[in-house]
Amino acid sequence: NAGVTQTPKFQVLKTGQSMTLQCAQDMNHNSMYWYRQDPGMGLRLIYYSASEGTTDKGEVPNGYNVSRLNKREFSLRLESAAPSQTSVYFCASSGRLAGVLNEQFFGPGTRLTVL
Amino acid sequence: AQKITQTQPGMFVQEKEAVTLDCTYDTSDPSYGLFWYKQPSSGEMIFLIYQGSYDQQNATEGRYSLNFQKARKSANLVISASQLGDSAMYFCVLAGAGSYQLTFGKGTKLSVIP
Repeated sequence: NAGVTQTPKFQVLKTGQSMTLQCAQDMNHNSMYWYRQDPGMGLRLIYYSASEGTTDKGEVPNGYNVSRLNKREFSLRLESAAPSQTSVYFCASSGRLAGVLNEQFFGPGTRLTVL
Repeated sequence: AQKITQTQPGMFVQEKEAVTLDCTYDTSDPSYGLFWYKQPSSGEMIFLIYQGSYDQQNATEGRYSLNFQKARKSANLVISASQLGDSAMYFCVLAGAGSYQLTFGKGTKLSVIP
């Protein structure tokens, strides 16, 4: 069991470039999430997918798009990167327990720098 | 709206001593869950402990326990017998029953002193 995997681990982009962050989970979870973490802050939700075939905006969706490719995979795309998107990006997955989110399992993170 | 407040940006504790990390929350959901995550300097997010709003007893997981006071809307993490490996950022997190969104606090940086 690999849990939640993310690629790449590190990335440097120039302003205006595009890229896709990949995430996969092998725990058969229905829900998947993308977060960003900026210095001195907790994680903020960018987008989530409650189940295969659905995606919804989180707290900070501007400048991002997502695709829930199948139950295992959830990708995050930056169409035109900006320096403000320099951050550490985490993917997570979870089940649901008695109406409340079960614990979320996190990937190792992607450290993105936009110059 | 949901809110998590962690008032201690940084704390120090002597090795083998117990330490309490404070967390207060605000939510209008009648059913919710509270989590604590640990983030060491290597960056990964590690789940520590979970408390459901209707759980009668405080959650415990090994050296971690959650002091849950529902009326005061607090969910403090207690780490007993601190170890050097406990040095990390600790996040208190709130999940509402009607939402897929987690609300994170800003975290407390714990440093364990030998």
